[in-house]
Amino acid sequence: DGGITQSPKYLFRKEGQNVTLSCEQNLNHDAMYWYRQDPGQGLRLIYYSQIVNDFQKGDIAEGYSVSREKKESFPLTVTSAQKNPTAFYLCASSIDPDREAFFGQGTRLTVV
Amino acid sequence: GESVGLHLPTLSVQEGDNSIINCAYSNSASDYFIWYKQESGKGPQFIIDIRSNMDKRQGQRVTVLLNKTVKHLSLQIAATQPGDSAVYFCAENTGGGTSYGKLTFGQGTILTVHP
Repeated sequence: DGGITQSPKYLFRKEGQNVTLSCEQNLNHDAMYWYRQDPGQGLRLIYYSQIVNDFQKGDIAEGYSVSREKKESFPLTVTSAQKNPTAFYLCASSIDPDREAFFGQGTRLTVV
Repeated sequence: GESVGLHLPTLSVQEGDNSIINCAYSNSASDYFIWYKQESGKGPQFIIDIRSNMDKRQGQRVTVLLNKTVKHLSLQIAATQPGDSAVYFCAENTGGGTSYGKLTFGQGTILTVHP
């Protein structure tokens, strides 16, 4: 089955802790993306990567970090510097940056 | 259409009616546009796309119209069904420059289909 897998589906974090969200794709896509979605709002771009070992900041990168060491994987770390991390996080990939992006099912992060 | 803030636009229709969802995009340099459907608690699902060299594109029960003069995009859904109830997002992609590969989403429209 080809697709994008995000894990875990639900994640709870204590204030002051870093947490890493996983995103894996077996679609052989070059481009990958991380978005944040707050209730009743659209998707805001955190980071994106057009190719392995390269990534760019999106509109709301502060408090987040990423790596792209493998084509299939684009993990997102939510650091303690992110002041309001509770949100729904969505990972996506596309065969190239100028084509449609396909999304995973999301990770809902809650700070307790 | 799209709006800024916490309250998404809503559209309520009866089953079998046609639905039109509007989107005003922001960047005149954007050359690729996509419509997504998002059901509650799930990731967005691709519906249809259109490039800036086209004014209209049709899929199965859906049509996207692009008016570059006024930077407006619309999604038409024919014979709307209860399963079409979801939040619909438009997204724009600037094909060059420093924003290459950056897909920017609108705020979304809630579509509710009544049986």
